[in-house]
Amino acid sequence: GENVEQHPSTLSVQEGDSAVIKCTYSDSASNYFPWYKQELGKRPQLIIDIRSNVGEKKDQRIAVTLNKTAKHFSLHITETQPEDSAVYFCAASIQSFGNEKLTFGTGTRLTIIP
Amino acid sequence: EAGVAQSPRYKIIEKRQSVAFWCNPISGHATLYWYQQILGQGPKLLIQFKNNGVVDDSQLPKDRFSAERLKGVDSTLKIQPAKLEDSAVYLCASSLPRDRGGYEQYFGPGTRLTVT
Repeated sequence: GENVEQHPSTLSVQEGDSAVIKCTYSDSASNYFPWYKQELGKRPQLIIDIRSNVGEKKDQRIAVTLNKTAKHFSLHITETQPEDSAVYFCAASIQSFGNEKLTFGTGTRLTIIP
Repeated sequence: EAGVAQSPRYKIIEKRQSVAFWCNPISGHATLYWYQQILGQGPKLLIQFKNNGVVDDSQLPKDRFSAERLKGVDSTLKIQPAKLEDSAVYLCASSLPRDRGGYEQYFGPGTRLTVT
């Protein structure tokens, strides 16, 4: 089955600086890569996702890049703010009709230092 | 729209006892998932339903865990008997196909289970 590795496990950055979280996946058939943000004691929430036919996607301060050849994808957060502090999970999935099984990484605890 | 609902939010039981969790997905979402999230780890899929049929239960410990989705709407997850290692947050999620392709999973608030 799919295996997703995520690094680093913890990350501290000064407010205003950029943060990068990296994930690798094992199954070359995976075609959908979402990123979830989970604040303390709350539910995971989708913040951005990318499909395998796209190399990069941006949404305001957040961007995701995908390298299918190397089987890795990354989350980039620019101009970080205190409210970006949370645990971030990457995930990979082979999306086909009737099957959207997500395999999650182990998470990155991001701390923004004011 | 209303989100995914789960109850109870917290549960403390002794090992070897039984426990059940309930989930009500977002209206119209055909696919429902149960995840186990152990502290410090990412969610791990236990079982996936589409309508009232099981799509994937390969990671469900079937000797002690069971789940059902009656009438393709609400779902219950049961553990009997519980072990200490079952202490975790149990997340329910539901999904709907998007116009631009793919599916987005919406998570409920979770049930935090502590087994003592």
